[in-house]
Amino acid sequence: GAGVSQSPRYKVAKRGQDVALRCDPISGHVSLFWYQQALGQGPEFLTYFQNEAQLDKSGLPSDRFFAERPEGSVSTLKIQRTQQEDSAVYLCASSPGTGELFFGEGSRLTVL
Amino acid sequence: KQEVTQIPAALSVPEGENLVLNCSFTDSAIYNLQWFRQDPGKGLTSLLLIQSSQREQTSGRLNASLDKSSGRSTLYIAASQPGDSATYLCAVRPNDMRFGAGTRLTVKP
Repeated sequence: GAGVSQSPRYKVAKRGQDVALRCDPISGHVSLFWYQQALGQGPEFLTYFQNEAQLDKSGLPSDRFFAERPEGSVSTLKIQRTQQEDSAVYLCASSPGTGELFFGEGSRLTVL
Repeated sequence: KQEVTQIPAALSVPEGENLVLNCSFTDSAIYNLQWFRQDPGKGLTSLLLIQSSQREQTSGRLNASLDKSSGRSTLYIAASQPGDSATYLCAVRPNDMRFGAGTRLTVKP
């Protein structure tokens, strides 16, 4: 597609539910990043893929967070047993070899 | 750990003014620095990318400079317009990309 696509755009979950957020990167981009953005803050790094390899997951806040990119294209960020502090916008970005990042519109998660 | 700071946190100017947004980072070992714009409820739009070997980049009314040795970048916006109102974020990259908290710009008609 023309840009990075994320779905769903909005997700409301009850505390304790599992959620899955999807990211379709720009075609041909080998690098893919996930960020978490709280209201009024800059994005915080979660994890980074190069093709299907997860090279850095140091930003994942707990073992309830899991990301995958099995075929080196689409990625899914999964949050298990959601808690209220997980409420945030989850941003996905992809990058070609230039290092420039291109972001999607984000998925806004609200945990009640 | 790389820390990125943006000053000021918020800025309000009348239309037509030239303005400067500041970004500082603690570790000069960066691959590149990128400036983004974020409108409310939207994702980030890339404005300018400066590779570590470059000193500045220009796009239209925007000019970004990079001084790695001092850990600073500035984004210069010429002849500001109300449509420039948004939050401006800078980010530096070794492997991942570290962001500042942003400068919220309001340009008044």
